[in-house]
Amino acid sequence: ETGVTQSPTHLIKTRGQQVTLRCSSQSGHNTVSWYQQALGQGPQFIFQYYREEENGRGNFPPRFSGLQFPNYSSELNVNALELDDSALYLCASSTGTSRTGELFFGEGSRLTVL
Amino acid sequence: DAKTTQPPSMDCAEGRAANLPCNHSTISGNEYVYWYRQIHSQGPQYIIHGLKNNETNEMASLIITEDRKSSTLILPHATLRDTAVYYCIVRGPNDYKLSFGAGTTVTVRA
Repeated sequence: ETGVTQSPTHLIKTRGQQVTLRCSSQSGHNTVSWYQQALGQGPQFIFQYYREEENGRGNFPPRFSGLQFPNYSSELNVNALELDDSALYLCASSTGTSRTGELFFGEGSRLTVL
Repeated sequence: DAKTTQPPSMDCAEGRAANLPCNHSTISGNEYVYWYRQIHSQGPQYIIHGLKNNETNEMASLIITEDRKSSTLILPHATLRDTAVYYCIVRGPNDYKLSFGAGTTVTVRA
């Protein structure tokens, strides 16, 4: 139990649609990052937010966007869904004061694009 | 852009120690070695990390070679619940992300 909760746990969308995934960070954590994990692969970094601003981004197109709110909860938005966007989307929170600290991951949201 | 090499899979007997190797020959002097694991259908879970010295916590021990080019994660008494994918990750003090590779799938057998 990490204290990081994600919703929804599963969802199905069709190609071209838009999706919003949500994450509630562990109490006291001001940094949130999102990862995409395709079947059989390790998680890949999408982006990170610190105090409501994006401060790091992986190799993902602009149709992947995010928000972090004053209470440090977060959203991942994906526009114009493609079949290859089918994956487990993981949210992780941390304190952000030390980059050598651990990340606490949620259970993920499994997205299927048809 | 993973900087580590791990065997794709390994088996371990329940109750025995599991020794998971990881090669990171290009590691820089200020980069840490992290280990995470991911049990099926769950998010990754932090296990341990270290810079130079060996580290131990309630879950595992981390042994880093003197030249820091490789390390071993030791699960002292493996249980069936330790069956998971184990990821060895090299991370610098200014890295805001974790770069996961394919990991090692560890199967603990009764």
